[in-house]
Amino acid sequence: EAGVTQFPSHSVIEKGQTVTLRCDPISGHDNLYWYRRVMGKEIKFLLHFVKESKQDESGMPNNRFLAERTGGTYSTLKVQPAELEDSGVYFCASSIDAGLDNEQFFGPGTRLTVL
Amino acid sequence: LAKTTQPISMDSYEGQEVNITCSHNNIATNDYITWYQQFPSQGPRFIIQGYKTKVTNEVASLFIPADRKSSTLSLPRVSLSDTAVYYCLVVSRGDKIIFGKGTRLHILP
Repeated sequence: EAGVTQFPSHSVIEKGQTVTLRCDPISGHDNLYWYRRVMGKEIKFLLHFVKESKQDESGMPNNRFLAERTGGTYSTLKVQPAELEDSGVYFCASSIDAGLDNEQFFGPGTRLTVL
Repeated sequence: LAKTTQPISMDSYEGQEVNITCSHNNIATNDYITWYQQFPSQGPRFIIQGYKTKVTNEVASLFIPADRKSSTLSLPRVSLSDTAVYYCLVVSRGDKIIFGKGTRLHILP
């Protein structure tokens, strides 16, 4: 069974440009999460989808970030316009259930570098 | 969410048993203790989860005392490939995961 996949693995863009990250969860997982780690900091929660609905987006840093999950399958995270402080590793995770057996399966991450 | 405290780093030798202790003094009744492992350039990977007493799986054991204010992850007979960052998390049903700094475990030959 394929795990969580993320694309691209690494993106280098200039300040002011737009970047879109993609996450494909494990098939059948209704719950999808985005996290990020900026340099030297802990992994931080960004938001949580249940199917196509945003369950919790309390971690989204500002309105330059837009996450979508149309159709409840894959998700995209767009950063527009990108700023230097957006550099970091963006992880996506999915789980079958958001309950206590909430084993989240993480993807390998997308490393974003904003110059 | 209960905050967790764990060692910043640990070194051990191959073949030894490694115990990583985590403090979570403010754990709530509905919280579970969960450990994740992260290798370089990879996402975190679930290791084990427990509520109280002892839980064991093919990877590790988790010991939780009666007051649940701490827990110990035990890795039997570690190998070089166990070098990773280990995160102790306290999670509630339906809630997001809050990662701390984790413990950087370095296994020496």
